[in-house]
Amino acid sequence: QKEVEQNSGPLSVPEGAIASLNCTYSDRGSQSFFWYRQYSGKSPELIMFIYSNGDKEDGRFTAQLNKASQYVSLLIRDSQPSDSATYLCAVYNFNKFYFGSGTKLNVKP
Amino acid sequence: DGGITQSPKYLFRKEGQNVTLSCEQNLNHDAMYWYRQDPGQGLRLIYYSQIVNDFQKGDIAEGYSVSREKKESFPLTVTSAQKNPTAFYLCASSMGTSDTFGSGTRLTVV
Repeated sequence: QKEVEQNSGPLSVPEGAIASLNCTYSDRGSQSFFWYRQYSGKSPELIMFIYSNGDKEDGRFTAQLNKASQYVSLLIRDSQPSDSATYLCAVYNFNKFYFGSGTKLNVKP
Repeated sequence: DGGITQSPKYLFRKEGQNVTLSCEQNLNHDAMYWYRQDPGQGLRLIYYSQIVNDFQKGDIAEGYSVSREKKESFPLTVTSAQKNPTAFYLCASSMGTSDTFGSGTRLTVV
């Protein structure tokens, strides 16, 4: 079983809609969770991190964490074509980051 | 400006040849990591180092070697034992859970 699982997509949403990206993890003791955005051919860039159950908002982005369900999500409000990228979920455990395979998001104008 | 520098950006390797990818950081981060990314895939951990002169194997260490003689530097050697080395290689460093990525090296076997 992989440490971090994501649906590979692609997820297609129209411009202005809410994009919802999901991630599950296997280690119940995980404490730190991250969302990265990666444009094709580029390195990942950190969008959000979350440590506590509940929601964390930063501009158009909201990270949601449910430790009981071992589930973390990223909502992107008012999606823009520039949001089209692959979104990687990561969990930090035992001094290492474990990455999911990423979900490709397409925002259609 | 602080950051991570990876070089070269593009690298071509002949069959049976060893090549070394450079990773330098001036962030004073203790931990450094090497990841491999194949097309359409996530990041897989090759090696990581928490302190100078110490490093640990990740999930796909076979065919790779590293050294950590200085805090700032964590070079990765792709040896001839790595049979399918064509991939995008990313170096990262972190202080606690705050990490930074380099811009990557794209390695191609010719």
